[in-house]
Amino acid sequence: QVQLQESGPGLVKPSQTLSLTCTVSGGSISSGSYYWSWIRQPAGKGLEWIGRIYTSGSTNYNPSLKSRVTISVDTSKNQFSLKLSSVTAADTAVYYCARSTTWRRDFDYWGQGTLVTVSS
Amino acid sequence: DIQLTQSPSFLSASVGDRVTITCRASQGISSYLAWYQQKPGKAPKLLIYAASTLQSGVPSRFSGSGSGTEFTLTISSLQPEDFATYYCQQLNSYPRFGQGTRLEIK
Repeated sequence: QVQLQESGPGLVKPSQTLSLTCTVSGGSISSGSYYWSWIRQPAGKGLEWIGRIYTSGSTNYNPSLKSRVTISVDTSKNQFSLKLSSVTAADTAVYYCARSTTWRRDFDYWGQGTLVTVSS
Repeated sequence: DIQLTQSPSFLSASVGDRVTITCRASQGISSYLAWYQQKPGKAPKLLIYAASTLQSGVPSRFSGSGSGTEFTLTISSLQPEDFATYYCQQLNSYPRFGQGTRLEIK
């Protein structure tokens, strides 16, 4: 059974860079045809896809966030990471990591989510 | 850029009711649509993929239909654990979600 777990600071100052890591267990992040995504949800609002990385390392980003987002993978640690630069209060949200297969593209496994607050 | 519009945004129903939630896409997406259920403080849970295929372990009272631009999620007989928020998601281009439908107990 695949499990995903987000980790990282819960508080980030405005204009700084938000950094989160997703640790995958129960399977190798580099095996199979999977996308590994980051998704966020502001309190009381809907879901916004941030971006994804393929097992080969290629990435796709939400056009609305592309200039500030970097997603990377560390196969030796079975982790992938999110960096979001120049954050503002609007980036305060619960951040989820999730897996999708390349042929179905729905998100079949999710982390529990981690709240990141942007505040001075 | 494909937009998804769910209706209604809010739904009040009773245990045992049959409910239907609609998701409309701004352009055709074939059957590239998924449905999720989210309960407060929890991650979304995949219910339906490819518009009508039930994810393993999901009760059969959930069903999905549609293709192109109009899709529906139906719960045949509401159970207490079904009161939650439901999201559709298009899979045709970069992932995008509908705004959600909050299902509450009447």
